Amino acid sequence: NAGVMQNPRHLVRRRGQEARLRCSPMKGHSHVYWYRQLPEEGLKFMVYLQKENIIDESGMPKERFSAEFPKEGPSILRIQQVVRGDSAAYFCASSPVGGNQETQYFGPGTRLLVL
Amino acid sequence: AQSVTQLGSHVSVSEGALVLLRCNYSSSVPPYLFWYVQYPNQGLQLLLKYTSAATLVKGINGFEAEFKKSETSFHLTKPSAHMSDAAEYFCAVRPRSNYQLIWGAGTKLIIKP
Repeated sequence: NAGVMQNPRHLVRRRGQEARLRCSPMKGHSHVYWYRQLPEEGLKFMVYLQKENIIDESGMPKERFSAEFPKEGPSILRIQQVVRGDSAAYFCASSPVGGNQETQYFGPGTRLLVL
Repeated sequence: AQSVTQLGSHVSVSEGALVLLRCNYSSSVPPYLFWYVQYPNQGLQLLLKYTSAATLVKGINGFEAEFKKSETSFHLTKPSAHMSDAAEYFCAVRPRSNYQLIWGAGTKLIIKP
């Protein structure tokens, strides 16, 4: 059973460009969470999605950031008009359908560098 | 609001010595508790978790943690450190009424030969 997949692993963007980060959850998981890890800090929750629904986006910056989890395909975290402060590691996690939602399984992360 | 405190951003131990990484949380109701490990430039791997069963939880790679409600602590230990244990360790809590993981700032474990 493949784990959580994220791509790209590394992404370099210039200020003002768009960044698109992809996350494929573990097989059988329909809950996806995005976290951001700034340098020298712990992770901070951004958004929680189920298929075709945003459940909680309380951790998302109000502007430029959006997330989706379509019926088919991976979850996408999109950052428009990136700025240097967006440089961070972005981790996606997934958990199973219903039942035991206590454990979130993490992907390897996407490290975004904004020049 | 809930918070997680990891005492010591860096902990250095000799190979073969006891590893003790501290984690305290603030919550009136015991949450679910987790330890994750992050190797350089890699993702987070679950070491162990507490979900209200036994208070002493055994995890992978010889690590274990003990939940102490009276001390609101969930310290991570390993009897004998190995060079391969060098990594950053994160304590996280998840309130039982929520799904967000709340993270400590992490502790970098350094193993001296």
